[in-house]
Amino acid sequence: QVQLQESGPGLVKPSETLSLTCAVSGGSISRGNWWSWVRQSPGKGLEWIGEIHQSGSTNYNPSLKSRVTILVDKSKNQFSLNLRSVTAADTAVYYCATGHSYAWFDWGQGSLVTVSS
Amino acid sequence: EIVLTQSPGTLSLSPGERATLSCRASQTVSSNFLAWYQQKPGQAPRLLIYGASSRATGIPDRFSGSVSGTDFTLTINRLEPEDFAVYFCQQYGRSTLYTFGQGTKLGIK
Repeated sequence: QVQLQESGPGLVKPSETLSLTCAVSGGSISRGNWWSWVRQSPGKGLEWIGEIHQSGSTNYNPSLKSRVTILVDKSKNQFSLNLRSVTAADTAVYYCATGHSYAWFDWGQGSLVTVSS
Repeated sequence: EIVLTQSPGTLSLSPGERATLSCRASQTVSSNFLAWYQQKPGQAPRLLIYGASSRATGIPDRFSGSVSGTDFTLTINRLEPEDFAVYFCQQYGRSTLYTFGQGTKLGIK
């Protein structure tokens, strides 16, 4: 079991880029898991954003793929999310998570991001 | 895209009763790829069941998962006060990868 902690701005202006970081502790990000971002908004429920492997391979939700980049920084044992051209519809609680067997066993506590001018 | 439909939307039961929550997939989902989560207000989801029927570490055996065709079921026996929460199912598929159901709110009657 690892501990995950999201960090980043709580307020982002429309059309700008949302950037969050997930710090991993209690284990190495290089151990071979896939590391994911999931968000939750009242209007759309839980939505998977994308994932990254320690090798740098990524998979993205097709509905967000054109705006999302997930990167891994093994030297800092963390991974990050960039979501471009945000609108109010991107207001949500953003979680980082990891696991295996196509399920997420470990989650961060979540970071509320509001898109507003 | 595989759509997961959970029912009922809201379920009201008393402690000690049995809860039966349903998650129906619009297409075939491998049992290996279906999970259930519990979420309480202000908290992250907590994994209960993966692979349709395997309990995650530390999950009491009153929680169980089963599957019949495209219908997945989460059963909670002998409800405890801490079990009242929202429950989500989640699947993995090759095209859209991960999707969630809309959730079932289990409330105290």
